[in-house]
Formats: sequence, C-alpha cells, structure tokens
Amino acid sequence: GAGVSQSPSNKVTEKGKDVELRCDPISGHTALYWYRQSLGQGLEFLIYFQGNSAPDKSGLPSDRFSAERTGGSVSTLTIQRTQQEDSAVYLCASSSRFSRGPRSNNTQYFGPGTRLTVL
Amino acid sequence: RKEVEQDPGPFNVPEGATVAFNCTYSNSASQSFFWYRQDCRKEPKLLMSVYSSGNEDGRFTAQLNRASQYISLLIRDSKLSDSATYLCVVNTAYSGAGSYQLTFGKGTKLSVIP
Repeated sequence: GAGVSQSPSNKVTEKGKDVELRCDPISGHTALYWYRQSLGQGLEFLIYFQGNSAPDKSGLPSDRFSAERTGGSVSTLTIQRTQQEDSAVYLCASSSRFSRGPRSNNTQYFGPGTRLTVL
Repeated sequence: RKEVEQDPGPFNVPEGATVAFNCTYSNSASQSFFWYRQDCRKEPKLLMSVYSSGNEDGRFTAQLNRASQYISLLIRDSKLSDSATYLCVVNTAYSGAGSYQLTFGKGTKLSVIP
C-alpha cells in the first residue's frame, strides 16, 4: 500500500517568507509526527498528533512554527517569517496506534521529507 | 551528557567484514530501543527493535545492556548494500510529566568498500 507522502519534495524560499509543508500519513494511522534534520545532525522532534487529542507541541523551536492536522489525516506544518537557520529536511512519520509511553514499540514510518532551503 | 550518543564514524570496512556500532543513552527509565537505517538523502527506516535478551535478524544482531545503558548493533559479512547511516533510537521520557518520545542519535555512517 501507499506509504507516507510529503510535498513539496524541495522548497526554496527567501528569508521572511512563509512556507507550508504537507504530509499525508499512511491510511488508518492515528499518530503523526513532524521532525527536522539539519545537515549532519540527528532528527529533532517538532510536534506529535494522536487522534483527536491535543497535539504535543513541545518540540517546536519558536512561535513561528505551527502545525495542523485536519480530519485526523493530512497535516500541514507552517513556518512563518522563515530564517536561514530553518533550512533543513522536514520529515513526517506516522504509526498505527497510540505510541507514547515507556514501552511503546510501534514502528514509525517516515515520508521522504521536504528539503527546505531559506536564502 | 547527550540523551543518545553514538560512535561518530565514519566506518569504512571491506566487504565481508564484521562491524559493530555502539550507542549509549542517558535516561535509565527508557524501555524501548531501536536501530533505524538511513540511506543518503533518504528517510529513516526501522532496521530492528532491540530486546533485553538480544535479538538477531539474519546478519544483524542487536544487544542491550541496561546496567550500562548501552546498545549495540553487529553486522556480519558486510555487503555493499549495507552502506548507510545507522541511527540509534531510544524511547525517552521528557517534560517530567510521564510523556515519552523517540529520541534519535546523530547516527554512524558506514561505508562498505569492494
């Protein structure tokens, strides 16, 4: 079946512009995550959605970052007034069920990412 | 101390070699551990979970030492296709409120040379 998809695959923008990144999770997956990965760095957690619960926004680096998940499926990550340090690959992942808690063993399936370059 | 630390690499090994990656984690309450593989300019993919008793999947063996807070991945008979970055991943608590999330190490790059 179809995996996680993200669009656009690449985005080049000018400093100060707003950008929207889209994620389509695997059908039926209730959990959705956003991460970013800067060059040569590990994955940095940004935000987590689980069903209809309030999202966990604890990883968002500033109030310029926000995300929505409409209808429990598609998610959009918005970055306002982009800065050069926002340049990174933004990865979305989904998993099949509630995956928090110390013994969680649910696999996260990643999309191909959106490579954002802020000039 | 960083939450998840890995050998920085890169590891350059000949085909057929055995290579081992190490990872340490700082949160003693962590309960779930994984190895993910990330090919160049691709997304991470789960390679294997790591269980307390150790587990094996073909040429790959993962082990966990809770006392030392240490995880390892052993690859035997390396293939060219094993060339990738290997990410150590730990389910860690944060915010002191009983919430957990996956924390990814920065990864170790492996290059298998013909």
